[in-house]
Amino acid sequence: VQLVESGGGLVQPGRSLRLSCAATGFTFDDYAMHWVRQLPGRGLEWVSSISWNSGTIAYADSVKGRFTISRDNAKNSLYLQMNSLRPEDTAFYYCTKGLEYSSSYNYLDSWGQGTLVTVSS
Amino acid sequence: EIVLTQSPGTLSLSPGERATLSCRASQSLPSTYLAWYQQKPGQAPRLLIYGASSRATGIPDRFSGTGSGAHFTLTISRLEPEDFAVYYCQQYDSSPLTFGGGTRVEIK
Repeated sequence: VQLVESGGGLVQPGRSLRLSCAATGFTFDDYAMHWVRQLPGRGLEWVSSISWNSGTIAYADSVKGRFTISRDNAKNSLYLQMNSLRPEDTAFYYCTKGLEYSSSYNYLDSWGQGTLVTVSS
Repeated sequence: EIVLTQSPGTLSLSPGERATLSCRASQSLPSTYLAWYQQKPGQAPRLLIYGASSRATGIPDRFSGTGSGAHFTLTISRLEPEDFAVYYCQQYDSSPLTFGGGTRVEIK
């Protein structure tokens, strides 16, 4: 299993950024996927999840209404559209693999290396 | 939301010693859906334990997880040099998924 994130960078408050995650080594369209973030030097925070067929989507309260998770099973790719970014969104963002089909009751058995998002003027 | 509290914050031990890490949940996890992860500096977390006591693929048997209800423990029977890292617990018994604040295991 390999998960490779891209799209991070420096962005001004209020602007947008789109993260991508390319997945290989497993049958991507069978698995739920999640985004987890980590403030530099701090703990882990679950951000969002999506079931295998995009039928169930969930967000942390801290990003609800600003972030949108999506996936393209034909391209084995996961995305996170981040709008109205705030300084407190500054973090490493990890693409993670959940369990088959449902995004509920998931532990995260594979993680990408992360991409750093810095929100600052 | 279920809050996970890990203790101690830092554990200072020598190679070969036994490490015992605690994770307490703010409410019971009836399905014992509790996972443990290891994170080394500059690396992503790695799954060690799921279902409170099942080792993930490739995880050495010196790592063991126990517990039920609201109290869980990760034990490293004999610390190897590569085990010095930060350990996080995570519950997936209810939404949203939540993580503990981590325990750093450092070389004494």
